[in-house]
Order: sequence, then C-alpha cells, then structure tokens
Amino acid sequence: GEDVEQSLFLSVREGDSSVINCTYTDSSSTYLYWYKQEPGAGLQLLTYIFSNMDMKQDQRLTVLLNKKDKHLSLRIADTQTGDSAIYFCAEIYTNAGKSTFGDGTTLTVKP
Amino acid sequence: DAGVTQSPTHLIKTRGQQVTLRCSPKSGHDTVSWYQQALGQGPQFIFQYYEEEERQRGNFPDRFSGHQFPNYSSELNVNALLLGDSALYLCASSQDGFGELFFGEGSRLTVL
Repeated sequence: GEDVEQSLFLSVREGDSSVINCTYTDSSSTYLYWYKQEPGAGLQLLTYIFSNMDMKQDQRLTVLLNKKDKHLSLRIADTQTGDSAIYFCAEIYTNAGKSTFGDGTTLTVKP
Repeated sequence: DAGVTQSPTHLIKTRGQQVTLRCSPKSGHDTVSWYQQALGQGPQFIFQYYEEEERQRGNFPDRFSGHQFPNYSSELNVNALLLGDSALYLCASSQDGFGELFFGEGSRLTVL
C-alpha cells in the first residue's frame, strides 16, 4: 500500500542549508509535493515535482527526486527563522485525487 | 483573487451530533478534496468531488459524506460524531487535470 515516511525533527542554524528527506512506496503517483504548515494554519504549497523529473529549483528551494530509491528531498538554502514550521511531503495522483501525506518534519531554525 | 475559504474556523460539538463544514474553492478550480488532520499527523484523504459527484474516497466510514454544488463549493458532513473525529478538517481545491492542490486554513472540530 501507499506510505510516506519523513524524519520527525530537524534543527539548523540561521543561514545554513536545511535538507528534509522523504521516502515513498507507491511508484504510480504523478506528483510529489512539499507543503509548509505553520502553527494553527492550513497547508501552504511550496513546490512540487512531476514524477518523471529528477530536480526542480525554485528560488531558495531545490527538490531532488530519486525514483529508483523512491526518495524525495527538499533543500532550503540560507534558512531563515521564518522557515521554522512543519514540512509535509505528499504523493498525489492524477487529478489531485487520492493522496498520501507524511506525518511532517518539524524544522527549527536557531538564530 | 481569494484562495480556498472554509467555514467555520472553529466549532465544538458533542458525541452523537452531526456537523457540516463548508468550503469555497480557489477561483478557477472545479475540484474539491477534503482531508482530516489529527494532531501531530499528516492530512488523511477523505474524498474528492468533481462535477458534483464523489470521484475518489479514502478509508473513511459512511458517516462522512459530502456534496458539491454547481458553483463548485462543497460541504463535508459528519454524522454520529465520535471523540476521535476531533481534528482539523482541511479543504483543498484544484483544477481537473492539473496537479496543483491548494489548501484552505481549515475548520478545527472538537468533539466532547
């Protein structure tokens, strides 16, 4: 069945790069997403990658996809205190239907 | 351009009651999906509505039902509430055929 795994916590210093990792099991997903959730808020779409791509860069964000190992990562360059939040990895199928989210990685950025 | 809007933002119910949550999709979107997010967990897919019909469903009992209106807005209904239904209910919208999925701020349901 589908399963998405993430490490629970990550702590970095302001200005460093953060790398959040995710593994998934279902190779039939169409899109792989990263969302950010701040306390008490909904999910903010950060970026996504099509399952036939290897890398996507969007300003400070870089997504790497290793389809062979079913491993997805999100790199945040020059991490700021405002980046402190929970980050969710998700695999979503065509028509953004049935989807599976990880349980989130809590990123703490220390000044 | 308004994003996904949900109402109410917070509500408290007692066991056995029924609740209706509402969602207006982002402008230009025709598909609405509902998710349940328990504390400390990722969102769990409940179901998706497109063209006023339930198109896909996750592993949720029949107590969870929904509706989509001609203007693409949607409702989530939960009957016979249980304590375990306490969660943040998130609505997400998308345009059919496209993968971008945008979320609202959620409705936080507490069942006492």
